[in-house]
Amino acid sequence: QKEVEQNSGPLSVPEGAIASLNCTYSDRGSQSFFWYRQYSGKSPELIMFIYSNGDKEDGRFTAQLNKASQYVSLLIRDSQPSDSATYLCAVSPNAGNNRKLIWGLGTSLAVNP
Amino acid sequence: ETGVTQTPRHLVMGMTNKKSLKCEQHLGHNAMYWYKQSAKKPLELMFVYNFKEQTENNSVPSRFSPECPNSSHLFLHLHTLQPEDSALYLCASSRSTGGTPEKLFFGSGTQLSVL
Repeated sequence: QKEVEQNSGPLSVPEGAIASLNCTYSDRGSQSFFWYRQYSGKSPELIMFIYSNGDKEDGRFTAQLNKASQYVSLLIRDSQPSDSATYLCAVSPNAGNNRKLIWGLGTSLAVNP
Repeated sequence: ETGVTQTPRHLVMGMTNKKSLKCEQHLGHNAMYWYKQSAKKPLELMFVYNFKEQTENNSVPSRFSPECPNSSHLFLHLHTLQPEDSALYLCASSRSTGGTPEKLFFGSGTQLSVL
């Protein structure tokens, strides 16, 4: 069974710190990797996607992918209380096929003022 | 405003009731999805429609019946549900179902309680 695993948390960081969220996946053939943010009582929204090994940066967010080790991470620099949410990792077996996305349970992040 | 609108936001129904969830997207997308989100479970894909054609049915019980009359509208018809069907039902859309990494746009969801 193909799986995506995330530490459920809560991960608690002080305001201004770097938050590091990790995700591991079981299917070595996975091609595309997505990070969605879900505020309590709201729907998920895409933060970033990555499909090449290495780092991808977008503002305060950096996604890191290591296919050999089968993990993808999300770093949030200068964490703000507004970043407090659940972060969902989703993995696709081929290039962006939304029909086959496999989701993790999510990591709850709390940024303390 | 996410561009994907779901109604109702909350729904309480008995096991013998029949109800429908509605989803409408104003983004010009061609693919629409129904997801189920339950506590302590990952998001579960239920159905996918691409250009109005159903392309995925993830072994969903027949008490859930989807309908996609056009690329902008998606319905989920519910009948004789069970208490374990209580969950948040999310509608999503994307430009297509794949080829390049596609962003999913989610609606606000319908919180369903089956008594």
